[in-house]
Amino acid sequence: EAQVTQNPRYLITVTGKKLTVTCSQNMNHEYMSWYRQDPGLGLRQIYYSMNVEVTDKGDVPEGYKVSRKEKRNFPLILESPSPNQTSLYFCASSLIRDRGGYNEQFFGPGTRLTVL
Amino acid sequence: AQTVTQSQPEMSVQEAETVTLSCTYDTSESNYYLFWYKQPPSRQMILVIRQEAYKQQNATENRFSVNFQKAAKSFSLKISDSQLGDTAMYFCAFINAGTYKYIFGTGTRLKVLA
Repeated sequence: EAQVTQNPRYLITVTGKKLTVTCSQNMNHEYMSWYRQDPGLGLRQIYYSMNVEVTDKGDVPEGYKVSRKEKRNFPLILESPSPNQTSLYFCASSLIRDRGGYNEQFFGPGTRLTVL
Repeated sequence: AQTVTQSQPEMSVQEAETVTLSCTYDTSESNYYLFWYKQPPSRQMILVIRQEAYKQQNATENRFSVNFQKAAKSFSLKISDSQLGDTAMYFCAFINAGTYKYIFGTGTRLKVLA
């Protein structure tokens, strides 16, 4: 089954304790992206990757890191989480079409993160 | 900077009726793509419909259609024959061609009433 998986689905942690949220897709998509969803703010893009070893900042990258060492995986790293990073996080992937066309993004199930 | 505005935080509609969700955007580019995504209570994000700016014809997908007004920078979603399963948060999204940065709106929570 074609899918994007995220782990963990729920996480409660404390300020300053490093954590990683994993994201994996089995569709051979070049493009992967991380978003956070907050009430009243919609989805905001954190980082995205156009292919292996190619990443760039979205609108809200502060406090986050990513890496793309393999095409299928795109982990999100919070080196020193703070309470304002409490949010619902989504990973997404898509094909990149020729001539800049854009396909739909396939989203993971989301990770609910609480930082105390 | 590009922005996407959804001015209706919440809406409701009777089952079988038609409802229109509004979305406006701001860009100085001429080639871009617009999307509507649905997020039901399960939180799963699902693509509803996609529009390419250089196509004048409005996109349709079964009961879902858009009214794309390029000059007005408006991209509204019309849901016909509303069903209880349409109850969800709906997000409008935008991306300029040649870039990889998506901009989402703040969402409209739609409730379909029996």
